[in-house]
Amino acid sequence: GAVVSQHPSRVICKSGTSVKIECRSLDFQATTMFWYRQFPKKSLMLMATSNEGSKATYEQGVEKDKFLINHASLTLSTLTVTSAHPEDSSFYICSVLDRSGNTIYFGEGSWLTVV
Amino acid sequence: GQQLNQSPQSMFIQEGEDVSMNCTSSSIFNTWLWYKQEPGEGPVLLIALYKAGELTSNGRLTAQFGITRKDSFLNISASIPSDVGIYFCAGRGEYGNKLVFGAGTILRVKS
Repeated sequence: GAVVSQHPSRVICKSGTSVKIECRSLDFQATTMFWYRQFPKKSLMLMATSNEGSKATYEQGVEKDKFLINHASLTLSTLTVTSAHPEDSSFYICSVLDRSGNTIYFGEGSWLTVV
Repeated sequence: GQQLNQSPQSMFIQEGEDVSMNCTSSSIFNTWLWYKQEPGEGPVLLIALYKAGELTSNGRLTAQFGITRKDSFLNISASIPSDVGIYFCAGRGEYGNKLVFGAGTILRVKS
């Protein structure tokens, strides 16, 4: 069964509004989660590493004020796209580092369309 | 930074044929992971490799962690239409938990 669950799977929002995407670890407590962005037919681009109880670590070029990450519990991390613009439209995927620290499982992904 | 070179970029094969794809890196990795992604979905883990030289099978899939720790291959035997998708290799280096991804191999199967 699924190890990681993302919600919503699809969301359409108006330009200028904010939208929140949730990532839940279903099978185990996860101190580390990752957020990726993926453009059509391209590989996954790591946006940030989410650490439970501390601030997220953002990759170079990713605006931390634009993409707010909160990892308030060991099973939930959220990504909030603030003041969304059409160019933020993309497929956003989270992943979870398992208990052994060796394997990473992905969520189903969330399609964001900003109109 | 670390980079992975994945090849081939795409393959269009006949059902029943075997498939082979590989990834190479200039850096050493401690873990190699192979994922399959179908349109509109997140990547699904196929095989995880943790030791140099390790050869692991999962049904018709076989993957190996190269001895030099800088490469890995994935083989699919007797391909079927549902094998269609994008296959990604990913590696974890000696430091940190971040995955480095290959660009992906698009597999199409002709029945």
